[in-house]
Amino acid sequence: QVQLVESGGGVVQPGRSLRLSCAASGFTFSSYGMHWVRQAPGKGLEWVAVISYDGSNKYYADSVKGRFTISRDNSKNTLYLQMNSLRAEDTAVYYCAKDSEKVAAAGTQGYFDYWGQGTLVTVSS
Amino acid sequence: SYVLTQPPSVSVAPGKTARITCGGNNIGSKSVHWYQQKPGQAPVLVIYYDSDRPSGIPERFSGSNSGNTATLTISRVEAGDEADYYCQVWDSSSDQEVFGGGTKLTVL
Repeated sequence: QVQLVESGGGVVQPGRSLRLSCAASGFTFSSYGMHWVRQAPGKGLEWVAVISYDGSNKYYADSVKGRFTISRDNSKNTLYLQMNSLRAEDTAVYYCAKDSEKVAAAGTQGYFDYWGQGTLVTVSS
Repeated sequence: SYVLTQPPSVSVAPGKTARITCGGNNIGSKSVHWYQQKPGQAPVLVIYYDSDRPSGIPERFSGSNSGNTATLTISRVEAGDEADYYCQVWDSSSDQEVFGGGTKLTVL
């Protein structure tokens, strides 16, 4: 069965960096787009970024553009989110989610058919 | 950027029908997906491409999308349906995914 397991969360000071990982199993990882979605405490879902099946296309939310970088290693079945210049408002549970499609280009996304359990990132001094 | 508007809360008695709306400019021209999230859990897909239901989701869950409003309908509501529900679309003008603010469904 499909499994997505996030790791790398923790407490970090404002301005510092953190890298999240998402280990995937139970499906052909290299055939699907992958997303990061976050949820601040007590708030709703906020999409963060998506990467195409082969890593060639990446799209970001305005709130993280220029600070966060999504990447993937298909040989390791792992998705990453490099988060730089962290702010207090980045505090959230970060979920990785599988897209139902390859996401070969903008507009070819499907839907989020599987989600991980999330990893908590707290940005605080 | 594209905005999706959901009512913050909907209340319904057991056995009745709950309708959760998702408003957006000409949302009928987009594909809408719906997710259910229970406290402390990850979201779960309940409706995709406006009205399709994933395997394992009860037939009581249905969706529609036209004009400026998409609707998630839950028939014969059960206590276990109590959760937050989010609609989601892809905004082609900004190349970004967009979520609605979420609706808390309370079963009375």
